[in-house]
Amino acid sequence: EVQLVETGGGLIQPGGSLRLSCAASGFTVSSNYMSWVRQAPGKGLEWVSVIYSGGSTYYADSVKGRFTISRDNSKNTLYLQMNSLRAEDTAVYYCARVPPEGYAFDIWGQGTMVTVSS
Amino acid sequence: DIQMTQSPSSLSASVGDRVTITCQASQDISNYLNWYQQKPGKAPKLLIYDASNLETGVPSRFSGSGSGTDFTFTISSLQPEDIATYYCQQYDNLFTFGGGTKVEIK
Repeated sequence: EVQLVETGGGLIQPGGSLRLSCAASGFTVSSNYMSWVRQAPGKGLEWVSVIYSGGSTYYADSVKGRFTISRDNSKNTLYLQMNSLRAEDTAVYYCARVPPEGYAFDIWGQGTMVTVSS
Repeated sequence: DIQMTQSPSSLSASVGDRVTITCQASQDISNYLNWYQQKPGKAPKLLIYDASNLETGVPSRFSGSGSGTDFTFTISSLQPEDIATYYCQQYDNLFTFGGGTKVEIK
């Protein structure tokens, strides 16, 4: 079965760090583009970051310089390292697959909640 | 950055009604546009890709059209299970989502 499972969310103080993981099954992470999308409570979807199959990475301006996307091909897992967290980073974080033959988010994880609060 | 403006932000319609949502890009994005459905507490689901192509398994009452800067998403006959928030998303330059349209039953 093709699926994504995110872990690593939780409550963290402002200025802290957190690493999210997204384990993939049924397909190969490194052969696809993989992305993180977040959704603040009661708000819409916001694209956060993408890693292309070739390894290039891109970020939304709101997280550039603070977040780092990466993958471990041996574990077939995607990561999001989040540093210098702010209250406005509070959201459900989804990982999603973007097949290189089409730029649509076709497979999504269930999401993991990150709450930044003192 | 490309901005995506969706309208309306919410709508209420009766079962069986035709529902139309529009999405406008701040610049020409060709047909590089997708549509998603999100039900409360769930992850989004891809419905339409490349502006007008129906994702496998999605009911044919959903459709999309448009190119350039103006796009339309249509539900031809609203069903109770279609209650959700719908988002457009461009991929001409990285990725941007529209603000969403919440669809409710009248």
